[in-house]
Amino acid sequence: GAVVSQHPSRVICKSGTSVKIECRSLDFQATTMFWYRQFPKKSLMLMATSNEGSKATYEQGVEKDKFLINHASLTLSTLTVTSAHPEDSSFYICSARDRPGRVTGSSYEQYFGPGTRLTVT
Amino acid sequence: AQTVTQSQPEMSVQEAETVTLSCTYDTSESDYYLFWYKQPPSRQMILVIRQEAYKQQNATENRFSVNFQKAAKSFSLKISDSQLGDAAMYFCALIQGAQKLVFGQGTRLTINP
Repeated sequence: GAVVSQHPSRVICKSGTSVKIECRSLDFQATTMFWYRQFPKKSLMLMATSNEGSKATYEQGVEKDKFLINHASLTLSTLTVTSAHPEDSSFYICSARDRPGRVTGSSYEQYFGPGTRLTVT
Repeated sequence: AQTVTQSQPEMSVQEAETVTLSCTYDTSESDYYLFWYKQPPSRQMILVIRQEAYKQQNATENRFSVNFQKAAKSFSLKISDSQLGDAAMYFCALIQGAQKLVFGQGTRLTINP
């Protein structure tokens, strides 16, 4: 249980175009989803937190208009990188937290997707 | 603010030996959770072990165990009988309440055959 998928796993796009990354919780309802960015050999950097049905909360320094996050349902969140540039190339990881009170595990535990490698040419 | 510090950027160990990865943290809360995550070359984040701060007993999962020193705010990971598949980046992380997960800088573990 507690599986999170991401699609696509890899994407290459041209500079100036937009790309959408999907994050899905497959076997649980995710009240909250998180989007991280990871540079090579570095730690995960939280970009934003999204709660189902409400606007995402962005971390300081993250451009809201560039990184659009939508959490329209309890199983799906999307990250859209708008007008992508080469400096947006990175590894993007999502995670999901289930409803508080789930029987197994901590209600604080996050389940991670496999990540998406974005390359902007 | 919460912080997590991993002071060992890289560690290496001989196969079948034991290695300990260090982690210190800072938080003003008394109720929190600590985690060790493994990130192999596939880059999938895998939860290795979890420790609830209110529990004094150190968590153990097969070959993985922690040394949780709450007063010292230390949370080290011991890997016994190291295997080639243990080679990965290891991240220490802290969460309190419904807040965000705070990660350390990571430690790259190499297993020498």
